[in-house]
Parts: sequence; structure tokens; C-alpha cells
Amino acid sequence: EPEVTQTPSHQVTQMGQEVILRCVPISNHLYFYWYRQILGQKVEFLVSFYNNEISEKSEIFDDQFSVERPDGSNFTLKIRSTKLEDSAMYFCASSETWGQVLREQYFGPGTRLTVT
Amino acid sequence: GENVEQHPSTLSVQEGDSAVIKCTYSDSASNYFPWYKQELGKGPQLIIDIRSNVGEKKDQRIAVTLNKTAKHFSLHITETQPEDSAVYFCAASIRNFGNEKLTFGTGTRLTIIP
Repeated sequence: EPEVTQTPSHQVTQMGQEVILRCVPISNHLYFYWYRQILGQKVEFLVSFYNNEISEKSEIFDDQFSVERPDGSNFTLKIRSTKLEDSAMYFCASSETWGQVLREQYFGPGTRLTVT
Repeated sequence: GENVEQHPSTLSVQEGDSAVIKCTYSDSASNYFPWYKQELGKGPQLIIDIRSNVGEKKDQRIAVTLNKTAKHFSLHITETQPEDSAVYFCAASIRNFGNEKLTFGTGTRLTIIP
């Protein structure tokens, strides 16, 4: 069964450093998402992406965050200058459409980001 | 924006008994309600979903009910098994073509006691 993959599984970085989290969505999916989950808390929407542009973003997704689809398979989340409060599990998700119907989102296993 | 509340936060049931998790949502425009199961160290996995034009949906031991008037929906797991132990999240979204932002509940840690 096709699945969303994410790398790395765990990233440790120092405050102020840039990080790039990578995702490979399911191959025929065209809608991509990033969510984050701070330890013990709910999963929170960050951004949705379609046709090489952001469809919607949350208030969490400020100027320090950016997303990119650099090639036909990868979808990345960049945090320019990490803060302690960026420590969380980051999930990538993707979905497809059947005709005009948007299908369910499939989640990757996540990248645990630790900012020290 | 949408707000989803979920109860209980923890739930322990004897193996073979039923488990019920309840969620409420605030935005009457929400039209899609998925349930995700998250096992330790893994991403959320969709187990069942329901759209606003349906009141109930069942898939083997799992069922979901939706009350649009009251803006609440529930997950029912019957004949629980040890492998049902996980954290369960409800979510809500306004499913438009080309965009979907899931708003999650706070999660329920379900423990099945053998």
C-alpha cells in the first residue's frame, strides 16, 4: 500500500538554526499538508499546498516557515530560525481527488524536531 | 475558526466491551468528520470518516454517528481488542474542492484491559 514517507525521523538543532523537513507524498496525490503536534497536545494544521502554491495557512505558519515542492516527488517544510517552541512532531499529509471529490488525508510517520 | 472538543481524554475498557468517544464542533459549515488512530511513534491513521449528509456509518467493529443539529459526533468501537489500544483523534473540516484544513480534537487515550 502506498504511504507518505518523511525524513529524518528525528532532527536535533540549535536555536536560531535553519531546518528543512522532507516529505515524499503518495505519488498520485496533488494536495499536500503540514501539521505539527507538540508533545501531549493536539495535532495542529500549519499549511496546505496545491498547484505549487499555498492554499491556506494557520497563524502558526509565520514568516519563519516556508514550504516548497522542489521536484516531482518531494515536499519540504523549512523553518528559517528555529525557536525552542518549534520543538514538536511534524507530520506531512497528502490527498488526492476523484473527479471533483477530495479524498482523505494520509499522514506520514512524522519528524520529531528538537530545538535546544 | 473551527474548534473541536473531545471527551474523555482517557478511557479504559475491558477487552470485549464497547468504547465510545465523543466530539463536538463549533462551525456549522463543517461537513467532513474523520477519526484517526495514532499508535506510539506513528502518524495518525484514518480509521473511519463521515460526511454531513449521513447520520451514521459502520465498518465492522467501528461506527461513527453524527448529529448536525447538536454539532456532535461519536466513535463507537464494539468487541474491543488489545490492538485497539491507541490514541484516537476526531477532526472536522470544511471540505471544499482544492482545500481542506483539518481541525483536531485533543485526543483520547484508549486502553483495552485484557
